[in-house]
Amino acid sequence: GQSLEQPSEVTAVEGAIVQINCTYQTSGFYGLSWYQQHDGGAPTFLSYNALDGLEETGRFSSFLSRSDSYGYLLLQELQMKDSASYFCAVMRGGATNKLIFGTGTLLAVQP
Amino acid sequence: DAGVIQSPRHEVTEMGQEVTLRCKPISGHNSLFWYRQTMMRGLELLIYFNNNVPIDDSGMPEDRFSAKMPNASFSTLKIQPSEPRDSAVYFCASSSRPTGVRSPLHFGNGTRLTVT
Repeated sequence: GQSLEQPSEVTAVEGAIVQINCTYQTSGFYGLSWYQQHDGGAPTFLSYNALDGLEETGRFSSFLSRSDSYGYLLLQELQMKDSASYFCAVMRGGATNKLIFGTGTLLAVQP
Repeated sequence: DAGVIQSPRHEVTEMGQEVTLRCKPISGHNSLFWYRQTMMRGLELLIYFNNNVPIDDSGMPEDRFSAKMPNASFSTLKIQPSEPRDSAVYFCASSSRPTGVRSPLHFGNGTRLTVT
């Protein structure tokens, strides 16, 4: 089987930096993805890590440590529009590859 | 690029009725995924297709659920008969690669299903 753990909620203020952690257990791990979902909207892709290290895309960065089965999403210079749910998702390989989502972290950005 | 198109956006039906959800993937994408989202269970993968062929339907809750992809531009998810516990948001997503690896999933806006 597989499992992903993320904090359920995180609160931060505008302009701050926030880190959302994700730990996972899965067989046939291929990579870790992050998606953003605003309330009532569709999930949208943010980033993907297949190898250890940091991937940076503008204000957002994502990190992966395969040996620790751990990753995080780092959001810098927080803006009100960053208030959303953030999901980590593991690509699990095997007979049939699957993208399995965590339960999501609700980020509330306060002024 | 019109994105993934789902219909209807909202569906309210009574228990026991048949429900059909529709999805048009992004043109050129050869993989299509159906997910269900609820507060309790989060985003669950129900089934996915590659080149119109169902690859993995192990997430389909039970025989009341069925999905088809008759061609590259259309898929349906059918629930018959529907039950109140099926109430959820159903998302369709497409990708240019079968696993969504390095080629992200593009989600439609979802169908909010309420079964009374």
